[in-house]
Amino acid sequence: DTEVTQTPKHLVMGMTNKKSLKCEQHMGHRAMYWYKQKAKKPPELMFVYSYEKLSINESVPSRFSPECPNSSLLNLHLHALQPEDSALYLCASSQAAESSYEQYFGPGTRLTVT
Amino acid sequence: GIQVEQSPPDLILQEGANSTLRCNFSDSVNNLQWFHQNPWGQLINLFYIPSGTKQNGRLSATTVATERYSLLYISSSQTTDSGVYFCAVLYSGGYQKVTFGTGTKLQVIP
Repeated sequence: DTEVTQTPKHLVMGMTNKKSLKCEQHMGHRAMYWYKQKAKKPPELMFVYSYEKLSINESVPSRFSPECPNSSLLNLHLHALQPEDSALYLCASSQAAESSYEQYFGPGTRLTVT
Repeated sequence: GIQVEQSPPDLILQEGANSTLRCNFSDSVNNLQWFHQNPWGQLINLFYIPSGTKQNGRLSATTVATERYSLLYISSSQTTDSGVYFCAVLYSGGYQKVTFGTGTKLQVIP
């Protein structure tokens, strides 16, 4: 099973709302990632968790707050977003960086900020 | 940081035609993957290919790490091959930092 699931598929939120994106994998992977993809652009790395600890934050604004409650789950908490944050948010997982790197992606959450 | 350029940026093919997509990267890499992004946004793994050649059905890929490029070959293209193709690299100087290429948008017409 190489499936990564993400919920919700679509999300519309106002600039004052608080919402969360969820990601789950059951492949026993110990590294999980959040990416942001704007239209007609490649995905850009936001955060990396390795063994449930945040190992990389690519200078992401604090209105995005990641959380890794356990090795299978990854959340992205959203607060006070701006319209320019509208994008496709992709979650991925891989075995920890010490070994195989191949990443597997979820289907994404398409976020619209109004 | 590392630069990853793909060519061509856009490609239109007649169904049944063959094509070669290229990925050039500016620094040493530990790993390289090819993905197909379908119109709904899903990134589908095609190859995990840090070096050498692999084949999977109508698709094959070659990475020459010492010369800093990778090629994806699509033979006998089908309309379902349409979408955007990305290479993604994990470069030697960065722990787990993945950089995607600029992408090639492929349209296969009947």
